[in-house]
Amino acid sequence: AQSVAQPEDQVNVAEGNPLTVKCTYSVSGNPYLFWYVQYPNRGLQFLLKYITGDNLVKGSYGFEAEFNKSQTSFHLKKPSALVSDSALYFCAVRAYSGAGSYQLTFGKGTKLSVIP
Amino acid sequence: NAGVTQTPKFRILKIGQSMTLQCTQDMNHNYMYWYRQDPGMGLKLIYYSVGAGITDKGEVPNGYNVSRSTTEDFPLRLELAAPSQTSVYFCASSYSNRDNGNTIYFGEGSWLTVV
Repeated sequence: AQSVAQPEDQVNVAEGNPLTVKCTYSVSGNPYLFWYVQYPNRGLQFLLKYITGDNLVKGSYGFEAEFNKSQTSFHLKKPSALVSDSALYFCAVRAYSGAGSYQLTFGKGTKLSVIP
Repeated sequence: NAGVTQTPKFRILKIGQSMTLQCTQDMNHNYMYWYRQDPGMGLKLIYYSVGAGITDKGEVPNGYNVSRSTTEDFPLRLELAAPSQTSVYFCASSYSNRDNGNTIYFGEGSWLTVV
């Protein structure tokens, strides 16, 4: 069965510093990987995804993620954090669920706090 | 496009009451989903639908029912509300096939409290 692990419940970073939010996955076959962001009292918003090709994926709001097949990781990164980046971040992996259907399995989320 | 719209935003239910969470999307997506989000638990899939007239159970279907009579609408029914169903509920949709990266678009959420 597929699974996603986000090993850090919370990440604190100073404004202007680089940030990393970690994600590892387990899935049969080639993974399709996603990052979503959730601001307080809002739904999840799509940030970026890896399907195939370049291991470095660029997404919304200056975020990027690096796919590492040997380490089964898909860490989210940003060179310079903003206070407005403070939110809950979810990693997800797409996996086959039978009868031609594919579903996303989400990690538990990582709360990012950017300190002014 | 409005995207995925769900109502109500907030609701308090008494134990044993019933209610329906409404969800509609205007993106002509074939796949629709209902998730629940509990603190520190991520999102759990309740039910999903791959098209009108087709629904299937997700990871946590007990206590819920769904229907999909049209492409646009995917209501979630709670028949006998229990305190364990206190949660935030998200409806979502996607256009999905074998070769698609399955980007899911979410509604704004419905906060449900059962007392």
